[in-house]
Amino acid sequence: AQSVAQPEDQVNVAEGNPLTVKCTYSVSGNPYLFWYVQYPNRGLQFLLKYITGDNLVKGSYGFEAEFNKSQTSFHLKKPSALVSDSALYFCAVRDLSSASKIIFGSGTRLSIRP
Amino acid sequence: EPEVTQTPSHQVTQMGQEVILRCVPISNHLYFYWYRQILGQKVEFLVSFYNNEISEKSEIFDDQFSVERPDGSNFTLKIRSTKLEDSAMYFCASSRDRPIYFGEGSWLTVV
Repeated sequence: AQSVAQPEDQVNVAEGNPLTVKCTYSVSGNPYLFWYVQYPNRGLQFLLKYITGDNLVKGSYGFEAEFNKSQTSFHLKKPSALVSDSALYFCAVRDLSSASKIIFGSGTRLSIRP
Repeated sequence: EPEVTQTPSHQVTQMGQEVILRCVPISNHLYFYWYRQILGQKVEFLVSFYNNEISEKSEIFDDQFSVERPDGSNFTLKIRSTKLEDSAMYFCASSRDRPIYFGEGSWLTVV
């Protein structure tokens, strides 16, 4: 069965510092991996995806994520955090063998202090 | 940019009542989903729909729930006889291939 784990419930970073939100995955085949962001009282907004190709993928709002097959990780990163990046971030995985659902991690609340 | 739209944005209903949540997926998408999120917690899969039938459903999606695509554009989730624990944000989503795009959600409060 496919799954993702986000080991940190909360990440606190000072504005201007780099940030990392961690995610590890488990799938039986090759994964599609995604990051979504949820701002307060809003829906889920797609940030970026990894399917194949370069291990470093770039997405919206200056975010990027690094796919590491040996560590089964897909950590979300940003070189310089903004206060407006404060939100709930979800890692998600979709099994390539299934054209169906994606499974979400438990979410990580990112808090950027001025 | 095309988007998934959901109505209503917020509904309050009495326990035992039936609720219909509506969604208009992105027009050229082929796969449709419902997810729910309780109080900003984990986003849980309910059901996926493809080619006019349910392709997969979770254990949450019991006989109380049903989905329909009545007219080729709308995609509805019906909850019969709502319970207090059905209070959640319900997200509709659609995809054509890889990323799944979500609507803004329908916040259901059962009292």
